[in-house]
Amino acid sequence: DSGVTQTPKHLITATGQRVTLRCSPRSGDLSVYWYQQSLDQGLQFLIQYYNGEERAKGNILERFSAQQFPDLHSELNLSSLELGDSALYFCASSEVAQSTDTQYFGPGTRLTVL
Amino acid sequence: AQKVTQAQTEISVVEKEDVTLDCVYETRDTTYYLFWYKQPPSGELVFLIRRNSFDEQNEISGRYSWNFQKSTSSFNFTITASQVVDSAVYFCALSYGTGFQKLVFGTGTRLLVSP
Repeated sequence: DSGVTQTPKHLITATGQRVTLRCSPRSGDLSVYWYQQSLDQGLQFLIQYYNGEERAKGNILERFSAQQFPDLHSELNLSSLELGDSALYFCASSEVAQSTDTQYFGPGTRLTVL
Repeated sequence: AQKVTQAQTEISVVEKEDVTLDCVYETRDTTYYLFWYKQPPSGELVFLIRRNSFDEQNEISGRYSWNFQKSTSSFNFTITASQVVDSAVYFCALSYGTGFQKLVFGTGTRLLVSP
């Protein structure tokens, strides 16, 4: 158990809908990262937050947004969902936000868009 | 550009065989970090090891060992006396430079260990 929690574990929804994925980092970690894992794209970095502020963006679609709250938990919002958004979404956390950090991953949220 | 290549898509072995998973990386940075993660069938990503670019010492942890060679830009992972529980997808990853960390993952190698 990495200490990173993600809810829900599974999510099934329809095209055009909006969902929110939630992540709680390990105790003491200030940085949160979101990744998408799909069969065709592999593991892709989406976005990073550090102590409430956005630090880096990767291949995140405009329909997706995220935030990190004062208690350091983070939410990833996915809207106008398409079939291709079906994937496993991981949250990871690390102590700070340096390249020296090790990212610890949560169990993931499996999103299925029908 | 930063890139990680895991050329082996899938490897099948019989229990107790040794197996090596290859990882080749590309980066122009002199400071970088290499990682291995394990993704068992249950789906979570489990951290296994981190090495920095200044430390080329090989590492052994139980049945696991890692061989880091800057000359060939490789960071290979060997499992000795494989077990069924080692069946998983293994990812090699790279983080580079200073400042924020962004992990670049390889495509993963699926290891199937049969009894």
